[in-house]
Amino acid sequence: QVQLVESGGGVVQPGGSLRLSCAAFGFTFGSYGMHWVRQAPGKGLEWVAFIQHDSNNKYYEDSVKGRFTISRDNSKNTLYLQMNSLRAEDTAVYHCARDFRSGSNYFDYWGQGTLVTVSS
Amino acid sequence: DIQMTQSPSTLSASVGDRVTITCRASQSISRWLAWYQQKPGKAPKLLIYETSTLESGVPSRFSGSGSGTEFTLTISSLQPDDFATYYCQQYHSYSLTFGGGTKVEIK
Repeated sequence: QVQLVESGGGVVQPGGSLRLSCAAFGFTFGSYGMHWVRQAPGKGLEWVAFIQHDSNNKYYEDSVKGRFTISRDNSKNTLYLQMNSLRAEDTAVYHCARDFRSGSNYFDYWGQGTLVTVSS
Repeated sequence: DIQMTQSPSTLSASVGDRVTITCRASQSISRWLAWYQQKPGKAPKLLIYETSTLESGVPSRFSGSGSGTEFTLTISSLQPDDFATYYCQQYHSYSLTFGGGTKVEIK
């Protein structure tokens, strides 16, 4: 069955960097757009970034533009999020999520998430 | 960016109650709206997309309606498994945005 497993979270100082990974199982990864969505502790959901199935298009939420980079390796069935210049307000559980169908921009499968804590 | 506003933020209800959650968009999003259910410590679950289409496996007591800027999620008869937080999400344009959530609590 479809499974998404995030990793790479941890504690990092403000200004630091972290790379998150999302391993995909149970579906043809290279056929689906993928997203990152985050949730600060006790708060609501916030969309972060999207990458098209073939990496030709990428979109970002305004507050992460220029700091975060979404990428994917379809040969490894893996999605990435490179996060630089981290700020306290980036502290959140980061979920990867699959596009329901190519370009739909809503999410039918989610990973359980990986916690990123930005603190000195 | 399109702002999504949900109301109420918290709702107390009993098993068997009819429950309605409202989601308003700051500009027209046509029918490009999805609803999710999230339980504590779990990932969100897709319930409804394109305003009113039920995701496979979602019970028929859930329904969605609306268009333009005003949308509703209705649970016709609340069940014990439905106590959770519900989020709307617009996918009319980037940045994709969510409502602030509605927590459905036991009365």
